[in-house]
Parts: sequence; structure tokens; C-alpha cells
Amino acid sequence: ETGVTQTPRHLVMGMTNKKSLKCEQHLGHNAMYWYKQSAKKPLELMFVYNFKEQTENNSVPSRFSPECPNSSHLFLHLHTLQPEDSALYLCASSSDRYYGYTFGSGTRLTVV
Amino acid sequence: GQQVMQIPQYQHVQEGEDFTTYCNSSTTLSNIQWYKQRPGGHPVFLIQLVKSGEVKKQKRLTFQFGEAKKNSSLHITATQTTDVGTYFCAGTPFNAGNNRKLIWGLGTSLAVNP
Repeated sequence: ETGVTQTPRHLVMGMTNKKSLKCEQHLGHNAMYWYKQSAKKPLELMFVYNFKEQTENNSVPSRFSPECPNSSHLFLHLHTLQPEDSALYLCASSSDRYYGYTFGSGTRLTVV
Repeated sequence: GQQVMQIPQYQHVQEGEDFTTYCNSSTTLSNIQWYKQRPGGHPVFLIQLVKSGEVKKQKRLTFQFGEAKKNSSLHITATQTTDVGTYFCAGTPFNAGNNRKLIWGLGTSLAVNP
């Protein structure tokens, strides 16, 4: 376990489905992130939350909707996704006082 | 836009050989971080460098931050099969204000033949 727990580990969904990814950290970190990792591309930052307030939204399509109810939990709600959205979705957390991000194990998403 | 280039993209070595990956930023960085991602895994933080010209070692791994704080390198001495994975550098732009805006390199995938 990394200290950041993501569920589910794998997800296959149709383009008309609605699903949610969950991330949880109990490291006392103030910031939480959603990243998308696709082959042959740099890690793409999607959303950043600091103390549960959204501070970054990197032009992410509205079919991805984040939710951060508190500084320990982060969700990514998915609806009407496209096949090109298939990727590894990584949650991470960090502290402004200590360096380095702690990543979760990721959700491998396949859109069919 | 701001970007970080990482070379080489792939590297195959014989076990016991040395390996180096290089990271070059288009902008001055306040710090640079290195991560390792094993096949099928997730990125794991290795180290952060902050000072100009800084060199840090972790066993067989040597990390260096350039004098201009725009480039960095990771050198592995006498590679082992456990070193297999993708090594990423990620930097915080000098004017970012906090460490929540990392710019990531594409990574260097290392394969080690036993």
C-alpha cells in the first residue's frame, strides 16, 4: 500500500455509462491530484485540489467531473466517455511542507 | 509552453552496465523530482533536488541538478534487473509559487538483460 488508495483497479465501461473513481489518503497531505497517463505521452495533470478547494482544471472535458468532499477523499465522476479516454488514471497527494508526490496504484480504464 | 524533455526514451543495457537519463527543461526550475514506475505499477518518488549544482546519491543512483537549474541527470551504476522501469523527471517552474504545478518529462524506459 502506498498510503493513497484508489478504487477500482480496473474498469471497463461503455460510452453511455456513468461511473466514479475513488481516491483516499490518510497521509495528512493538503493537496490531491488527478492525473491521466497514456502511452507515449507525459503525465497529464487534470485537476488539483488544495485543502478540498479546486485550484487547477487543465482544460479537461466536462465528461470528467471531480469532487473533493474533504482533504482526504477525491472522486472522479465519469460520464459519456470516448474510447480515447481509455488510460491509467492516477490519484496523487502531496504536502506543501514536504516534497514528493505519493501516487495511488491507479485505475486502468477501458472505454468500449 | 513550458516543457521538460527527457532522453533517451528507451535504453537496453546488460546487467552490470551503467545507465544515465537526462532531463532538460525549457524554463528555470525551482526544484526537480525523480520518480520510478515499474511495469504495471505507479510512479514512486525517489528524490528532490533544489540547489544549483546539487548532487545526491542513493546507493547505486546518483542524481544531479545543473548549475542553471534547467537540467538534471540520473545515473545508475552497475544496473540490476530490479532497476527495470520507467524513470521520470518532473520540475516545478521557478515562478510557480508552490509545488503543485509539476512539469513532467516523457520518461526513460530502462530494460536490463540478465
